[in-house]
Amino acid sequence: DGGITQSPKYLFRKEGQNVTLSCEQNLNHDAMYWYRQDPGQGLRLIYYSQIVNDFQKGDIAEGYSVSREKKESFPLTVTSAQKNPTAFYLCASSTVRRGNQPQHFGDGTRLSIL
Amino acid sequence: KQEVTQIPAALSVPEGENLVLNCSFTDSAIYNLQWFRQDPGKGLTSLLLIQSSQREQTSGRLNASLDKSSGRSTLYIAASQPGDSATYLCAVLMDSNYQLIWGAGTKLIIKP
Repeated sequence: DGGITQSPKYLFRKEGQNVTLSCEQNLNHDAMYWYRQDPGQGLRLIYYSQIVNDFQKGDIAEGYSVSREKKESFPLTVTSAQKNPTAFYLCASSTVRRGNQPQHFGDGTRLSIL
Repeated sequence: KQEVTQIPAALSVPEGENLVLNCSFTDSAIYNLQWFRQDPGKGLTSLLLIQSSQREQTSGRLNASLDKSSGRSTLYIAASQPGDSATYLCAVLMDSNYQLIWGAGTKLIIKP
């Protein structure tokens, strides 16, 4: 079945540590996205990518980094510069960034601080 | 700056009732409006997408309307079932930069 796989489901970060969240899609989508979800708030865009080897900052990119070396993969690194990383992280993909097709989502990664 | 608001934040109704969820937005320069469902600890599933030129979309027991000029959308759920219990989120796709702006969601509980 085609879809988006996020791993791990739960992740714990120690002080000063960088952690990487995985996102893989087999939908042959060009565009991929990372969102952060906090309780009582709407999803906020961290980074997005419309094509391999290119990505753009979203509204809350500080303390995060991404790469897009393959069409299928869009990993997110939460760096030690992100002082409040505890949140639910969602990866999504779509055919094109602008368009009439909704984004498809993975099941998320919940990140907590040890 | 676009703001998307969903009221109420939570709603609990008995099974079988028809119900309406509300979504409002402050900037009418949108490309489309989308409704999603999120089950606890899971990702989002697309329910309905309404283009800015459309007034409504229907899928099964769900009907979504859009009044772009007044900045409002409603999601109507007919004959609610316990399986409809979830958080429902709306989002608008901006004309200017094709970015999705999200509401915080309405948590719906359908009591058997």
